[in-house]
Amino acid sequence: GAVVSQHPSWVICKSGTSVKIECRSLDFQATTMFWYRQFPKQSLMLMATSNEGSKATYEQGVEKDKFLINHASLTLSTLTVTSAHPEDSSFYICSAPKTTGQGVAPLHFGNGTRLTVT
Amino acid sequence: QKEVEQNSGPLSVPEGAIASLNCTYSDRVSQSFFWYRQYSGKSPELIMSIYSNGDKEDGRFTAQLNKASQYVSLLIRDSQPSDSATYLCAVGFQKLVFGTGTRLLVSP
Repeated sequence: GAVVSQHPSWVICKSGTSVKIECRSLDFQATTMFWYRQFPKQSLMLMATSNEGSKATYEQGVEKDKFLINHASLTLSTLTVTSAHPEDSSFYICSAPKTTGQGVAPLHFGNGTRLTVT
Repeated sequence: QKEVEQNSGPLSVPEGAIASLNCTYSDRVSQSFFWYRQYSGKSPELIMSIYSNGDKEDGRFTAQLNKASQYVSLLIRDSQPSDSATYLCAVGFQKLVFGTGTRLLVSP
């Protein structure tokens, strides 16, 4: 079954509005979550690392004031795309590491959110 | 700059054949290696993880790791059309570095 839940699956918004995407770890706690973006026919691009109880860490070239990340609890991280523009249209995917019995923690991905800005 | 390299493909194999997907990485101290499958329009799905040299088998999938050569591969036996997808190699601990993926096409 799903390990990470992400909502909404798709959203269409008008240019200039903001969109919030939620990412939840199911049945486990995630002090760290990762937000990716993927444009058509391209690979995953890490946008930021979401840290529970502290500020997110953004990758080079990602505007922290445009992509607001909040990790208010051990199971929930949110990404808000502020003042969205058509060039922000993309597939946004969150992920969380889940520790296995062997002490390793592979990343599990949510189903992604397809954002279209008109 | 940590890098993970994959041939973009497409790799075309007939149904029932073995598909071999390869990946090289640049960071010698990497300890964790993963293969993800991504269908078009969907998010990546973890299919294999490997942490020590040698082979690891899970059903039709076998992951192979050679740390000395900085090389990891994925073999898919008895390939099915439903295996047609992009396979992403990823290296690291939690904050993964992904390859660009290899597109696999399995023809009936």
